[in-house]
Amino acid sequence: ETGVTQSPTHLIKTRGQQVTLRCSSQSGHNTVSWYQQALGQGPQFIFQYYREEENGRGNFPPRFSGLQFPNYSSELNVNALELDDSALYLCASSGAGTGGTYEQYFGPGTRLTVT
Amino acid sequence: KQEVTQIPAALSVPEGENLVLNCSFTDSAIYNLQWFRQDPGKGLTSLLLIQSSQREQTSGRLNASLDKSSGRSTLYIAASQPGDSATYLCAVKDGANNLFFGTGTRLTVIP
Repeated sequence: ETGVTQSPTHLIKTRGQQVTLRCSSQSGHNTVSWYQQALGQGPQFIFQYYREEENGRGNFPPRFSGLQFPNYSSELNVNALELDDSALYLCASSGAGTGGTYEQYFGPGTRLTVT
Repeated sequence: KQEVTQIPAALSVPEGENLVLNCSFTDSAIYNLQWFRQDPGKGLTSLLLIQSSQREQTSGRLNASLDKSSGRSTLYIAASQPGDSATYLCAVKDGANNLFFGTGTRLTVIP
């Protein structure tokens, strides 16, 4: 059984550019959630995907979008990058999208720096 | 909107000491509560998950309690070790699949 993996590990982008971050779920998991963690803060929920459909969204603008693929891997896309988008982006997978009882398993994160 | 608070923000203890980390949340309508460990610049490692119907969970030297009605949880670490040094985060999950995190407690265990 493999854990949650994310790529790339680090990324530097310029303000206004677009970025795509990738996440592979833990084996057997069909739900992926994305979080943004600014320095010194707790993670903030961006959105969740369950069986390729968005299944909940936090307080993030539409320029944050996502995809989930049939193999349950996922992408987070951010358009028109702003300096405040600099953060650690975490992906978590769990066993089911409905109901709140399933534990989330986190990947190592992608550190995005916007200059 | 759910707000999660963790006290203290930072804690420094000598090796071997028992310690308690606190977490409070404003909305008691939660599905579960999770405690995580985060090493600097790294992802989150799940330590304990307590379902809303449970009162506590134990794993090795860790014990987490949940009092949903009062909006509180504690993480008890027995016989602390330098390897326990990390940031500890608590998170509560609501019915809309949102996971709300506190800002964490940064623990340093001094050898």
